[in-house]
Amino acid sequence: DAGVTQSPTHLIKTRGQQVTLRCSPKSGHDTVSWYQQALGQGPQFIFQYYEEEERQRGNFPDRFSGHQFPNYSSELNVNALLLGDSALYLCASSIIRGQPRLNEQFFGPGTRLTVL
Amino acid sequence: KNQVEQSPQSLIILEGKNCTLQCNYTVSPFSNLRWYKQDTGRGPVSLTIMTFSENTKSNGRYTATLDADTKQSSLHITASQLSDSASYICVVTYASGGSYIPTFGRGTSLIVHP
Repeated sequence: DAGVTQSPTHLIKTRGQQVTLRCSPKSGHDTVSWYQQALGQGPQFIFQYYEEEERQRGNFPDRFSGHQFPNYSSELNVNALLLGDSALYLCASSIIRGQPRLNEQFFGPGTRLTVL
Repeated sequence: KNQVEQSPQSLIILEGKNCTLQCNYTVSPFSNLRWYKQDTGRGPVSLTIMTFSENTKSNGRYTATLDADTKQSSLHITASQLSDSASYICVVTYASGGSYIPTFGRGTSLIVHP
């Protein structure tokens, strides 16, 4: 089991561009959550996808959008990039069935996005 | 507002020494509290999880405590090793509309010197 994988590992973009980050969940997991982690800060929840729909959303603008595919993998899209979007973007997968109250999230290694 | 505050922000200790990290939260309604270890440039890895009725949980040299009345938790690391150098993040999950939303603290950066 490869665990949660993310691609690319690093990315450099310029202001105003658009970016797509990808995530493959741990085998058997059906839920994917995305987080933004600025340097020296804790992860901030962006949104969660389950059954190909956005189920929960944090306090992020509409420039941040996502998608979940039938194989449970997910994409995070960010439009009109700002300098402040530079961060480590983490993907976490989990199983929403069973015991969601104790739902453990397994994190990927993240994608480091730099906006110049 | 749901918040998780951690202290200290950073900590430097010598190898073999013990240390304790603190986490205070205002998250409600409380579901569970996890401590994660995050190595530099890597994703967080879960160390312990505690629900409302649990007040202590151990995982090897890591022992977490929870006081749900005062909304405080601590993570105690015994006989520290160089590999313990990492960021330790407290995450408190609350229930909202049938879902469970994690709220992350900023983390405590621990450096273990030989």
